[in-house]
Amino acid sequence: AQSVTQPDIHITVSEGASLELRCNYSYGATPYLFWYVQSPGQGLQLLLKYFSGDTLVQGIKGFEAEFKRSQSSFNLRKPSVHWSDAAEYFCAVGAPGGGNKLTFGTGTQLKVEL
Amino acid sequence: DTGVSQNPRHKITKRGQNVTFRCDPISEHNRLYWYRQTLGQGPEFLTYFQNEAQLEKSRLLSDRFSAERPKGSFSTLEIQRTEQGDSAMYLCASTSPSRGANYGYTFGSGTRLTVV
Repeated sequence: AQSVTQPDIHITVSEGASLELRCNYSYGATPYLFWYVQSPGQGLQLLLKYFSGDTLVQGIKGFEAEFKRSQSSFNLRKPSVHWSDAAEYFCAVGAPGGGNKLTFGTGTQLKVEL
Repeated sequence: DTGVSQNPRHKITKRGQNVTFRCDPISEHNRLYWYRQTLGQGPEFLTYFQNEAQLEKSRLLSDRFSAERPKGSFSTLEIQRTEQGDSAMYLCASTSPSRGANYGYTFGSGTRLTVV
């Protein structure tokens, strides 16, 4: 069965600083990988996804993520954080052919200091 | 694309009561998923439908839980004899695999259940 680890529960960055959120997954083959963002009391919005091909994927709101097979990682990055990026971020893994069912990490809460 | 709609947004119920939630997916999406999210955790898969067929249920879905999607459009999730441990956010998502493997979910805003 697949699993996802997000080792950082909380991260605080200053507005304008760069951001990297860590995600490690466990799966026997190349999984489908996703990053979602959730604002308080809201559902989840898809930021970006990786299925195959180029290991650096671009998403919405200026986010990008890099798939590193050797490290079983899919870290999310943003060069310059805006105050509106404060939210909770979830990494998720899906098994190809698994009915698109996703396994989520426990999330990283991002706080942005002005 | 009107998005995924969930009703109600909030539900407070007494322990032992039955509750029912509704999810209206994006109209052309044939797959519909239910997830549960407790405080401080990521969403956990409960069940999913392809059209009206319920194809998979998690072991998290005890026999007090039942989900339906009678006409392959909206879905309902019912919890019978609610317990305090059922307090969570219940999220619905939909997708359309026919558009290609790289088409992600669209989530609704969820139903927050509080059992008192």
